[in-house]
Amino acid sequence: EADIYQTPRYLVIGTGKKITLECSQTMGHDKMYWYQQDPGMELHLIHYSYGVNSTEKGDLSSESTVSRIRTEHFPLTLESARPSHTSQYLCASSPPVTDTQYFGPGTRLTVL
Amino acid sequence: GQQLNQSPQSMFIQEGEDVSMNCTSSSIFNTWLWYKQDPGEGPVLLIALYKAGELTSNGRLTAQFGITRKDSFLNISASIPSDVGIYFCAGLPASGSRLTFGEGTQLTVNP
Repeated sequence: EADIYQTPRYLVIGTGKKITLECSQTMGHDKMYWYQQDPGMELHLIHYSYGVNSTEKGDLSSESTVSRIRTEHFPLTLESARPSHTSQYLCASSPPVTDTQYFGPGTRLTVL
Repeated sequence: GQQLNQSPQSMFIQEGEDVSMNCTSSSIFNTWLWYKQDPGEGPVLLIALYKAGELTSNGRLTAQFGITRKDSFLNISASIPSDVGIYFCAGLPASGSRLTFGEGTQLTVNP
C-alpha cells in the first residue's frame, strides 16, 4: 500500500493566479514524479526528481516549476495560471530498486 | 523514445465475461506494470512483473511478462461492474531509466 498524498484534490481559480500543488510521501522514496493527464487520456510526464535538490523536466513541456528540498515533499508551482493549464495533475513516487511508481489521488485543476 | 502499443483502446463486455488486453513494443523492457484508474482518481498498481516469462495473479487478475520481453498481457476473469475503469500498462525499458506508459484501455462492464 502506497502512502502518497496530494492537496488540494480540486482547485478552481481565476486566470493569472499563482498556485502550488502539494505532494508528499511517507515511504522515503528518492524518486518522485509529476504527470499531467486530461480525462480518459494518457499520462504525460512533466517533471521528475531523483532526490533532494535534483529536478528535471519531463517529456511534455510545462510552464510549471518544481522543487525538492525534502525527500518527502515535491510541490509543483504555476506562477500565473491560464485556462490551458486546466487538467488533472498526478504525483507519483518510486523506490530506488524497482522503479515501480505509486500514484497519489491527483489534483483536478480548473482555471477560469 | 520507446513506445508502448496498448490494445484494445476500449472494450464493452457483459458482466461475467473474461477480458484480455495487452501491450507490445519493438523495444525490450525490464519491468512491466499494470494499473487501474477510476475517474477522478490516480492510477492504482494492480500487478508488477520483473522477470521474462513471469506469470502473476492478483485475485481475478492475471498478468504475464512476455518471454521476448517486448510484451505483456492482463487478463480479468469473471468481470464485475466495479472492474469498470481505464487500465494502463507501463514498462521500464532496458535501455532507459524512466517508465513508459501505454495509452490505456477503457473497460465498460454491462450488468
